Amino acid sequence: DQQVKQNSPSLSVQEGRISILNCDYTNSMFDYFLWYKKYPAEGPTFLISISSIKDKNEDGRFTVFLNKSAKHLSLHIVPSQPGDSAVYFCAASKGGADGLTFGKGTHLIIQP
Amino acid sequence: DTGVSQDPRHKITKRGQNVTFRCDPISEHNRLYWYRQTLGQGPEFLTYFQNEAQLEKSRLLSDRFSAERPKGSFSTLEIQRTEQGDSAMYLCASSADRGRSFFGQGTRLTVV
Repeated sequence: DQQVKQNSPSLSVQEGRISILNCDYTNSMFDYFLWYKKYPAEGPTFLISISSIKDKNEDGRFTVFLNKSAKHLSLHIVPSQPGDSAVYFCAASKGGADGLTFGKGTHLIIQP
Repeated sequence: DTGVSQDPRHKITKRGQNVTFRCDPISEHNRLYWYRQTLGQGPEFLTYFQNEAQLEKSRLLSDRFSAERPKGSFSTLEIQRTEQGDSAMYLCASSADRGRSFFGQGTRLTVV
């Protein structure tokens, strides 16, 4: 049972445009959400996070939006750059002695 | 800050052999996590240490898997009697609190 779902395995966006990556979750106990970026043969790299008490968090070109009632979050990247091409993972935490629960990832391809 | 370090980066072993992986977390981080990632999936949480205490181990995949963190610094993950299905990337992560986790580059295990 996938508690964190990323329904788009891949996404292609033109350089300079906005990239929007989506994530849905089913467990209402999750209260902290993160996005990671991963290049081949490397570990995931933290991008941005959001607590459930907020609905938006920005860091430079990256913004994460959280809609708790819909159990949905999204990552916006503006403007998209070639170096953004990677696999993006959505992850969620419910605290306690528990690790992160990850989605399957979305492969973002930035076209020149 | 040298980041999370994992050793070895790659391991090829014959079915039935035992393997041990090492993780050195970021020095001031008291939380340490192990994950497994297989092709097309996100990282899957295995076990969690806070200092030297293993607070969650029910997610270890079988009794062939065990982990230690003897002095609350580095950690080891051992797989006994390896099977072909154990082939995967094993990731270690550390954090200072329940916020963002920092991942190592992983150990890729191939069981032949």
